[in-house]
Amino acid sequence: EAGVTQFPSHSVIEKGQTVTLRCDPISGHDNLYWYRRVMGKEIKFLLHFVKESKQDESGMPNNRFLAERTGGTYSTLKVQPAELEDSGVYFCASSQRRVETDTQYFGPGTRLTVL
Amino acid sequence: QKEVEQNSGPLSVPEGAIASLNCTYSDRVSQSFFWYRQYSGKSPELIMSIYSNGDKEDGRFTAQLNKASQYVSLLIRDSQPSDSATYLCAVSRLTGGGNKLTFGTGTQLKVEL
Repeated sequence: EAGVTQFPSHSVIEKGQTVTLRCDPISGHDNLYWYRRVMGKEIKFLLHFVKESKQDESGMPNNRFLAERTGGTYSTLKVQPAELEDSGVYFCASSQRRVETDTQYFGPGTRLTVL
Repeated sequence: QKEVEQNSGPLSVPEGAIASLNCTYSDRVSQSFFWYRQYSGKSPELIMSIYSNGDKEDGRFTAQLNKASQYVSLLIRDSQPSDSATYLCAVSRLTGGGNKLTFGTGTQLKVEL
């Protein structure tokens, strides 16, 4: 069974540009989470999808970030326009059930550098 | 106060020794506790989860939870060089919005030959 995949693995863009990150969850996992780790800080929650619906967007930093999950399969996270403070590693995770004991499986992350 | 606190380390232990990693959390409503291992540049990998007070053992790993003290720990017995990684403590509670994880900054473990 394939794990969570993310694309690209690295992205270097200039301030003001747009970047789109993609996450493919494990097949059959309804729950998809986005997290971000900024240099020197802890991994922080951004948002949670159940199928195609956004369940919790409380961690999204601002309206420059737009997440979608059309059809309830893969998800994209667009940053437009990118700012310097958006640099970090963006992780995607998926899980099967929405219960506290459910395991979230993480992807390898996308390292975003905004110059 | 951070929601989940860990000593950043590095924690250095000799090969074969017991490594003890500690974590405290502030939200008393937290019900689930996880230890993830992350090698440099790789994805966090779940190694232990614990939900009830007490100890839970899995191979060389033992997780310990004390909800009254809001404390969770991970013991690694017979530490191996391959255990050298960053260990992330994460807690969660199911809310109307989902099951988001709150992480600590991680403890870097170095197992020396």
